[in-house]
Amino acid sequence: GESVGLHLPTLSVQEGDNSIINCAYSNSASDYFIWYKQESGKGPQFIIDIRSNMDKRQGQRVTVLLNKTVKHLSLQIAATQPGDSAVYFCAENLALDTGRRALTFGSGTRLQVQP
Amino acid sequence: GAVVSQHPSWVICKSGTSVKIECRSLDFQATTMFWYRQFPKQSLMLMATSNEGSKATYEQGVEKDKFLINHASLTLSTLTVTSAHPEDSSFYICSARDGRAGRDEQFFGPGTRLTVL
Repeated sequence: GESVGLHLPTLSVQEGDNSIINCAYSNSASDYFIWYKQESGKGPQFIIDIRSNMDKRQGQRVTVLLNKTVKHLSLQIAATQPGDSAVYFCAENLALDTGRRALTFGSGTRLQVQP
Repeated sequence: GAVVSQHPSWVICKSGTSVKIECRSLDFQATTMFWYRQFPKQSLMLMATSNEGSKATYEQGVEKDKFLINHASLTLSTLTVTSAHPEDSSFYICSARDGRAGRDEQFFGPGTRLTVL
């Protein structure tokens, strides 16, 4: 079936470096993409989102890039800090036939920030 | 920002008992709430979609008679795990969609850790 997946299960970076987390999606009908951060034992925390009519969106220290041609999504974190250590999930949003919008999550990437 | 709470945050129960988990949107009305399950080191899997005042829609492979969902008001949805077994042990997370027009974001609760002995 169609799914959202990630290239790297674990990413280890040095504090202060930039981090790039990648995600591939397979459903070309998806029109809304979200990155979440999940710390151990907690629910997902919204980071940034992007709609399919955009290819880049910036937030505070984070940038999401969307390449619809190759169905690829990335999250860039500038000047990575120890507090950024967590599991990051991409998710795609599909409009279902009843108008609901359910999220399909990727498998997740663990980001480890080394001091 | 919008806040979603879950209660309890963790629960331990004996095999065969039923457990109820509450999901509340604290400062907005949620026309739709979603229930996810997350096993250790895995991603979130959608279990069911709950719309206020109507029956929940379950994903393929999720037993509706085992996972009872009630969305009685615009701020509360409950998930009851009936006759729980050890394989039901998991992290259950709800999310709520802001019902206002044009808003698509889902706000997630903090999760409920269920351990069935």
